[in-house]
Amino acid sequence: EVQLLESGGDLVQPGGSLRLSCATSGLTFSIYAMSWVRQAPGKGLEWVASIGGGDTYYAESVKGRFTISRDDSKGTSYLQLNSLRTEDTALYFCAKDQVAGNGRYDAFDIWGQGTMVTVSS
Amino acid sequence: DIVMTQSPDSLAVSLGERATINCKSSQSVLDSSNSKNYLAWYQQRPGQPPRLLIYWASTRESGVPDRFSGSGSGTDFTLTISSLQAEDVAVYYCQQYYNSRPRYTFGQGTKLEIK
Repeated sequence: EVQLLESGGDLVQPGGSLRLSCATSGLTFSIYAMSWVRQAPGKGLEWVASIGGGDTYYAESVKGRFTISRDDSKGTSYLQLNSLRTEDTALYFCAKDQVAGNGRYDAFDIWGQGTMVTVSS
Repeated sequence: DIVMTQSPDSLAVSLGERATINCKSSQSVLDSSNSKNYLAWYQQRPGQPPRLLIYWASTRESGVPDRFSGSGSGTDFTLTISSLQAEDVAVYYCQQYYNSRPRYTFGQGTKLEIK
């Protein structure tokens, strides 16, 4: 069974930093693109960032502040959050790309339970 | 970015009745080279992460009950639940994944309740 487990969420002051982790099991991690999606309290889903094939992509709202990375040897994806703002407060989900090796980014077939980031003074 | 707009925002349906949720994209998500619509539907039950129901607009994910179906092409799409069950109470989201360099966007969500 494929599983994703996020960690690293916390309460942080505006301007602060956090590093989120997404540990995976039950899959050949290196062949899949991975993404982060967030959900502000009581709100909808917002794509944040994706990584695959050495390439990284970001939503405009986080570009220049957040950095996505991965360690294929550990089966883990990371999201470094810098210069945090109150509007970054959200539950951050890690999600796995549905299809491996087709040269494009597809729907998300497996999601973690999420890790909560709260930005407040 | 492609804007996804769902309707209605909320919906109350009786058990055993049909539920229909619509999703419209601001530009076509149909790839004419392979006739695939890059449109997915997700279900999010309270306190749970999203669950993939439908991809390529009409292909049901493994394990998803056959009362769930997706239809549409280009810019207009529909998720239909043929006979509502109590466990279908959730928020449903459409998502486009058309761009080769990802710019995923989601609809605002439709909250489905029991009447």
